[in-house]
Amino acid sequence: DTAVSQTPKYLVTQMGNDKSIKCEQNLGHDTMYWYKQDSKKFLKIMFSYNNKELIINETVPNRFSPKSPDKAHLNLHINSLELGDSAVYFCASSHLTGSSGNTIYFGEGSWLTVV
Amino acid sequence: GENVEQHPSTLSVQEGDSAVIKCTYSDSASNYFPWYKQELGKRPQLIIDIRSNVGEKKDQRIAVTLNKTAKHFSLHITETQPEDSAVYFCAAGGSSNTGKLIFGQGTTLQVKP
Repeated sequence: DTAVSQTPKYLVTQMGNDKSIKCEQNLGHDTMYWYKQDSKKFLKIMFSYNNKELIINETVPNRFSPKSPDKAHLNLHINSLELGDSAVYFCASSHLTGSSGNTIYFGEGSWLTVV
Repeated sequence: GENVEQHPSTLSVQEGDSAVIKCTYSDSASNYFPWYKQELGKRPQLIIDIRSNVGEKKDQRIAVTLNKTAKHFSLHITETQPEDSAVYFCAAGGSSNTGKLIFGQGTTLQVKP
């Protein structure tokens, strides 16, 4: 069973399109994240939700909008895609508190290519 | 702002040698320091972590040391094997109630057979 699963794994789309990436975790975690990994491999946090509430919102263009229908799901919608949005987007989850707090588990990644 | 510096950016060792990767962090309130290994085309996977109440932790060929005073921590891999070749990321977190981790820039480790 995949603990953190995200779809699609690969996405090629044209500039100006709108696309969504879905994420689900079955670890019972209360917190989910979106990280972006650029071509230089740098991992940067974009958003975080705790029990469906937005708790981290880094400096990300308004074209990016996360949605968490419940604490096991966190989706990412991107409007008006630009070439610079091409990257790997990782969903992740963790407990916020407790002895295993902050230990983040990543999904397999979604490779987004904007042409 | 919060920052984690990681060195070196690339590291090439001969199989059987040791490899050391070092990180420094800026937020003195950080109390959680994980290390992730990312193989080509795969997700980052946690290999070891350490919390601020511990100075050293070991798991088979992997060890991590933490110096809170100097705000730096290191990953040590002994008896390296070709399958250790990957990108390694350090991270620092725990200073806020958000679970936020700040990652280093990554180290590409190549182990030559």
